[in-house]
Amino acid sequence: QVQLQESGPGLVNPSQTLSLTCTVSGGSINDGAYWWTWIRQFPGKGLEWLGYIYYSGTAFYNPSLRSRLAMSIDTSNNQFSLMVRSVTAADTAMYHCARAFYKNGVVVISFEIWGQGTMVTVSS
Amino acid sequence: QSALTQPASMSGSPGQSITISCTGTNIDLGRYNLVTWYQQFPGKVPKVIIYEDVQRPSGVSDRFSASKSGNTASLTISGLQAEDEADYYCCTYGGSAIFWIFGGGTKLTVL
Repeated sequence: QVQLQESGPGLVNPSQTLSLTCTVSGGSINDGAYWWTWIRQFPGKGLEWLGYIYYSGTAFYNPSLRSRLAMSIDTSNNQFSLMVRSVTAADTAMYHCARAFYKNGVVVISFEIWGQGTMVTVSS
Repeated sequence: QSALTQPASMSGSPGQSITISCTGTNIDLGRYNLVTWYQQFPGKVPKVIIYEDVQRPSGVSDRFSASKSGNTASLTISGLQAEDEADYYCCTYGGSAIFWIFGGGTKLTVL
């Protein structure tokens, strides 16, 4: 079955750029039935949707974070990535990649498969 | 954008029914039929137990049901079992100005 695995640095200095990659196995990232998503979970448990990207490269971002986010997709390696610029301690969280089901090519329904997540701490 | 509002914690005894509420606004939860409920155990990732407001994925116990009225969605767990002790999150689409927002989560304790 499809599995997602995040990779990236566990520690990032404040004001630097965080870069994360999600590798998809057991299925193709080229599948038009899905959007490839980043969600983070804060130490206090709260969840925040960061954005998602389609195999075509079209991406949508959380409006409150849009100026600091960038996503990309590498269909040849079945990977997609997230960059978060100018990080602060408030960006400390578990970062999950997830697959979102795109029903009938019209609407995203839910985040149905999640990676285990990678913990990112922002600290000097 | 504001998160959806859920009670921080709830508890119930085995065999009881419990309902967790999730309140949004008429521009997010009340506008779209896209409420998802997630169940999360400690150290595990969230799992979809309800999607499109009331739909239950195959493999999810029929003890889990959901409804929506106006700007409030509800998740009901009937015949509460010890294995239901987990965190529950609601989530909805809020249009292109908001996209996706989550509730703060409800910690369910089975007494």
